[in-house]
Amino acid sequence: SQTIHQWPATLVQPVGSPLSLECTVEGTSNPNLYWYRQAAGRGLQLLFYSVGIGQISSEVPQNLSASRPQDRQFILSSKKLLLSDSGFYLCAWSSGDRTEAFFGQGTRLTVV
Amino acid sequence: AQSVSQHNHHVILSEAASLELGCNYSYGGTVNLFWYVQYPGQHLQLLLKYFSGDPLVKGIKGFEAEFIKSKFSFNLRKPSVQWSDTAEYFCAVMAYSSASKIIFGSGTRLSIRP
Repeated sequence: SQTIHQWPATLVQPVGSPLSLECTVEGTSNPNLYWYRQAAGRGLQLLFYSVGIGQISSEVPQNLSASRPQDRQFILSSKKLLLSDSGFYLCAWSSGDRTEAFFGQGTRLTVV
Repeated sequence: AQSVSQHNHHVILSEAASLELGCNYSYGGTVNLFWYVQYPGQHLQLLLKYFSGDPLVKGIKGFEAEFIKSKFSFNLRKPSVQWSDTAEYFCAVMAYSSASKIIFGSGTRLSIRP
């Protein structure tokens, strides 16, 4: 069966420090991969999605970037964190042929 | 670009009451539609989905949703809620032309009084 791993679960980082959140999927190949940010009262905001290695679509201009160095690996990064980057970040995958997305457990990021 | 609106931000019901949560989307073409649920402290789970066919879709735990294309709506319903239905509910849309991009609404928090 397919599983999605996202780490770390919680992270506290100072302003101006770099960020790297990693997400990997097991048990499937060529998944679509997603990064969302969840904020109270604002639902899930799609940040990036990828339909293949090296193919990244950005939805919201911001201080973050994403990369997909391997088929089942999706990384969310920042060179310098801002206070406004604090939030709950969720990784998700889908099988790529217009199916539902499956979510990881999320990372609670606090920028101090 | 597609978008999703959930107009009810917080709904409070007593047990055994009927539930209907509104969801409207904005997109003129063919869509896939989803309802997800997030129980307290848990990750997002799929409640039900619509791809094609019968516009009345049945999901887990007695939930159902009806796709009304003319109204661009996909409302979630349950005839009799339970305390365990307390959770946050998210509607989502995937447009066929958008390479599997899934857009979510802002969510509805459902509180059930025992």
